[in-house]
Amino acid sequence: GAVVSQHPSRVICKSGTSVKIECRSLDFQATTMFWYRQFPKQSLMLMATSNEGSKATYEQGVEKDKFLINHASLTLSTLTVTSAHPEDSSFYICSANRDRGGRETQYFGPGTRLLVL
Amino acid sequence: SQQGEEDPQALSIQEGENATMNCSYKTSINNLQWYRQNSGRGLVHLILIRSNEREKHSGRLRVTLDTSKKSSSLLITASRAADTASYFCATALNSGNTPLVFGKGTRLSVIA
Repeated sequence: GAVVSQHPSRVICKSGTSVKIECRSLDFQATTMFWYRQFPKQSLMLMATSNEGSKATYEQGVEKDKFLINHASLTLSTLTVTSAHPEDSSFYICSANRDRGGRETQYFGPGTRLLVL
Repeated sequence: SQQGEEDPQALSIQEGENATMNCSYKTSINNLQWYRQNSGRGLVHLILIRSNEREKHSGRLRVTLDTSKKSSSLLITASRAADTASYFCATALNSGNTPLVFGKGTRLSVIA
């Protein structure tokens, strides 16, 4: 089956540093990937839509200058949390759509847990 | 924004009992999906039901969809301790490249 990977799975960083999270579709090409954020004991909230070769589309309330998204190839999207602060500590999950004969199937990565001290 | 509201928010049952979780949403959808998430882990896709379907089964899972009421239910029969997890419904508004909108989730505890 289709697999989406994320790296790293867990990261601890100091306040003020930047953290890059990678999302890869391992056996299919994805023109679109989605980034979600999940705070403890809450649901997943869409942050942005990552489009290969074009700018990402951000949801209301998500700062595009703080959460930089680069979808440089059909198998890789990166999310960079710039100048991370403790309130950015969260579980970040990406997903990628795979076109299966006209029926889109969304595959989720295993998530990246970010802890900002 | 969140589309779905799930109830109950938390459910505790004995092993062997059935667990029913409900999800309501606000807009027209293309499909609705249910996911499981163990504490601190990623999502596991359970089942997808399309807007023109009313009921679907997968093993011990039974999902219903009532588009007139904009609601869905997930039934887990003969629950096991390993079913303990959070369960989320998620809706897709369109069939194309569209993100999922997740509900708030139900935390299920199955006591052995």
